[in-house]
Amino acid sequence: QKEVEQNSGPLSVPEGAIASLNCTYSDRGSQSFFWYRQYSGKSPELIMSIYSNGDKEDGRFTAQLNKASQYVSLLIRDSQPSDSATYLCGGNNDMRFGAGTRLTVKP
Amino acid sequence: GAVVSQHPSWVICKSGTSVKIECRSLDFQATTMFWYRQFPKQSLMLMATSNEGSKATYEQGVEKDKFLINHASLTLSTLTVTSAHPEDSSFYICSALDRAGNTIYFGEGSWLTVV
Repeated sequence: QKEVEQNSGPLSVPEGAIASLNCTYSDRGSQSFFWYRQYSGKSPELIMSIYSNGDKEDGRFTAQLNKASQYVSLLIRDSQPSDSATYLCGGNNDMRFGAGTRLTVKP
Repeated sequence: GAVVSQHPSWVICKSGTSVKIECRSLDFQATTMFWYRQFPKQSLMLMATSNEGSKATYEQGVEKDKFLINHASLTLSTLTVTSAHPEDSSFYICSALDRAGNTIYFGEGSWLTVV
């Protein structure tokens, strides 16, 4: 069983909206968590890494880590059609990914 | 920023031959590298975890004698697909964990076509 589980299904939001992506993790050793974006036919690219409890913001992206509840999330503000991709989350102790979350931002 | 480079980006080989894919961390030392395979429209599948100076750890169902992994230095890991067959045609991607263990970066991927 994967340590980090991505439990949000396909997500569709209108342009300009906030997209919220979530993962939960079991307590097996990961201290750092990562969000990646993967476009079709391309390799994943790192969006954010987070290892401290709380929020970490980078432009339109905010990663949130809640160690007490064991979840990590990614918020995308002012979503753009170019954000349409598959988003993957992982931990440094378990780099197995599931299907990810397919985000579609509609113009 | 940190970069992980894969070579070749794409390769075509004949069935029965072997092909080697390189994964290099360009500006950081990577004690751990990961190898993935991804078929079209499918998820990334972790094949193995490669640790510098030791044998790779393979995921269940991945043949270690077919997919040879060597991580001889802190900046280079190689994946050799031996006796390749058309069903091995796929997108192979590596990633590398920086030495501090804080960040994992992916390479650009290598498209393998076996004819």
